[in-house]
Amino acid sequence: AQSVTQLGSHVSVSEGALVLLRCNYSSSVPPYLFWYVQYPNQGLQLLLKYTTGATLVKGINGFEAEFKKSETSFHLTKPSAHMSDAAEYFCAVTEGGGSNYKLTFGKGTLLTVNP
Amino acid sequence: NAGVMQNPRHLVRRRGQEARLRCSPMKGHSHVYWYRQLPEEGLKFMVYLQKENIIDESGMPKERFSAEFPKEGPSILRIQQVVRGDSAAYFCASSPRPGQNNEQFFGPGTRLTVL
Repeated sequence: AQSVTQLGSHVSVSEGALVLLRCNYSSSVPPYLFWYVQYPNQGLQLLLKYTTGATLVKGINGFEAEFKKSETSFHLTKPSAHMSDAAEYFCAVTEGGGSNYKLTFGKGTLLTVNP
Repeated sequence: NAGVMQNPRHLVRRRGQEARLRCSPMKGHSHVYWYRQLPEEGLKFMVYLQKENIIDESGMPKERFSAEFPKEGPSILRIQQVVRGDSAAYFCASSPRPGQNNEQFFGPGTRLTVL
């Protein structure tokens, strides 16, 4: 079975500082990896995804993530935090084969941005 | 184009009552997925439905829970005889086609509280 671990349930950064949200996964097959963001009282919105090809993936709002197979990691970064980035972020992985619609999520990381 | 709609947004039930959660997918989407987020946990897959068919209910509790997606109208997640452990956020997602290459679009969720 696949699993996702997000290190740090709460990360706090200053506006303009680097954002780094950590995600490690376990999978017996090549994974497809996702980062979702959830703003208060809204649904989850896809930030970016890795399927195949280039391991550095760029997403919306200036975020990017790098798939590192040797480290089983897919950490999310943004060079300079903005107040509007304050939200909860979820890393997710799908199973391979016929169940590739079934997302497995981490517990989420709440990002706060201080002025 | 309206996003995925869920209602009610908040639902309070007493132990033993029934809870009915509704999900209207995005226009043109015929695939619906339900996820549950227990407190301090990540979202967990419950069930995948197409119109009038349950494709995968491997994440559904064996008793008291059922789901449907009729030919007309929203998808319904039904919980009979609710218990305190059912208190959670229930998220619905939809996609035009299944598979990890097709993004799942999430609704804002229904927060169920069982007294």
